[in-house]
Amino acid sequence: AAGVIQSPRHLIKEKRETATLKCYPIPRHDTVYWYQQGPGQDPQFLISFYEKMQSDKGSIPDRFSAQQFSDYHSELNMSSLELGDSALYFCASSLQGSPDTQYFGPGTRLTVL
Amino acid sequence: AQTVTQSQPEMSVQEAETVTLSCTYDTSENNYYLFWYKQPPSRQMILVIRQEAYKQQNATENRFSVNFQKAAKSFSLKISDSQLGDTAMYFCAFMKHNNNDMRFGAGTRLTVKP
Repeated sequence: AAGVIQSPRHLIKEKRETATLKCYPIPRHDTVYWYQQGPGQDPQFLISFYEKMQSDKGSIPDRFSAQQFSDYHSELNMSSLELGDSALYFCASSLQGSPDTQYFGPGTRLTVL
Repeated sequence: AQTVTQSQPEMSVQEAETVTLSCTYDTSENNYYLFWYKQPPSRQMILVIRQEAYKQQNATENRFSVNFQKAAKSFSLKISDSQLGDTAMYFCAFMKHNNNDMRFGAGTRLTVKP
C-alpha cells in the first residue's frame, strides 16, 4: 500500500538559509499534519491542513510557513534557519473524518550548521 | 492545556515475557483520543493502538492491549509475548476530539532482551 512520502529525506543547511520540505499524503487522504522532533525529544505538533486551509496550529515558529496544494501535497517553508531547527520533521496524513488515524511519513532530517 | 506523562524513561523485558508501560495525562476534556506510537531505530512513527475516551472497552491489537482508566486518567500499554522487534521508543499521545494538536509524552525506551 502507498504510504506518506516526504522529500528530501535528509537536508543540510547553513544558519540563516531557507529550506522547503515536501509531503505527499496517502492517495485520497485530504488532511496533512506536520510535526517536529528534536534530538531526544518527543514530536511536537506544528500545523495541519484540510482542503488547502489551515485547520489547526501548534507550536510553529513565525519563521515557518506551510501550505497545502490542490493535489493535497503540502510544503513546509522554513526561513532564517537556526541551529535549534535541526530536527526530524514528520508529515502525517489522514482522512478528514479520521484525525485519530494518522499515518506518518519517514521524516526529513534537517541539519542546520 | 493537556499534558502527557510517561514516568518510565527506560524499561527492559526478556523475550516472550510481558511488560507494561505507564502513561498518565491531564485534561478537562471529556471527549478525546489516546494513542501509543512505536518509534524503532529507523525513527519511523508507527501507530500501535488507539483508544476513544467514550469507549469503556479497552482496545486490543494482537499482542498489544491497553488498560484505560478514565477517572484516573491513566492509559497503560501491555505488550504480551515480547519480541525482539518490539525494541523501540514508545510514545503515549493525547488528542482532543475535533482538534488536530496531538500531544506526546516524553517516551519510554523499551529493550527486549534475548
